[in-house]
Amino acid sequence: NAGVTQTPKFQVLKTGQSMTLQCAQDMNHEYMSWYRQDPGMGLRLIHYSVGAGITDQGEVPNGYNVSRSTTEDFPLRLLSAAPSQTSVYFCASRTGNEKLFFGSGTQLSVL
Amino acid sequence: EDQVTQSPEALRLQEGESSSLNCSYTVSGLRGLFWYRQDPGKGPEFLFTLYSAGEEKEKERLKATLTKKESFLHITAPKPEDSATYLCAVQTSGNTPLVFGKGTRLSVIA
Repeated sequence: NAGVTQTPKFQVLKTGQSMTLQCAQDMNHEYMSWYRQDPGMGLRLIHYSVGAGITDQGEVPNGYNVSRSTTEDFPLRLLSAAPSQTSVYFCASRTGNEKLFFGSGTQLSVL
Repeated sequence: EDQVTQSPEALRLQEGESSSLNCSYTVSGLRGLFWYRQDPGKGPEFLFTLYSAGEEKEKERLKATLTKKESFLHITAPKPEDSATYLCAVQTSGNTPLVFGKGTRLSVIA
């Protein structure tokens, strides 16, 4: 049972480039979310989804897009990367109001 | 606005020196309070969920307690392998996202 799988683990981008961070879960969880973690700032919610076809904004959504076409996948898109988006990104999922399961993270650097 | 504040930001203990981490919260209605452990370079791992004031849960050297305004994570006779960042999060109503505190970075020295 893989749980929550994030790819890639590391990525370096130049300012203005676009990319997609992938997140997949094999636990049939309805709820999925993306957080970013910065030193001294804790985990901040970017976007979340309560089911396929439904997404909503979190605390820091600007510069990021998401979609949820299947239960399993919840990709995070950076359309035009900026240095302020340098961070560690975590995807997490859960069923109902139970505990969140986290992926291992993607470390992104934008130069 | 829901807020979660953890203290201290960092804590350094000698092996065997018991202590407590604090998580205070201001929410409109608490549905659940969660504790997570995070090791460097990894995602947070679930420890406990507490639902109502007076509830306690234990796991090895850790015990979590909950009041109406705060939660404590008590660490009894810690070992170096307990070194990690401990995160607290709250959920209010319905299928809402968790709101996390900034964490307490614990170092246990042998």
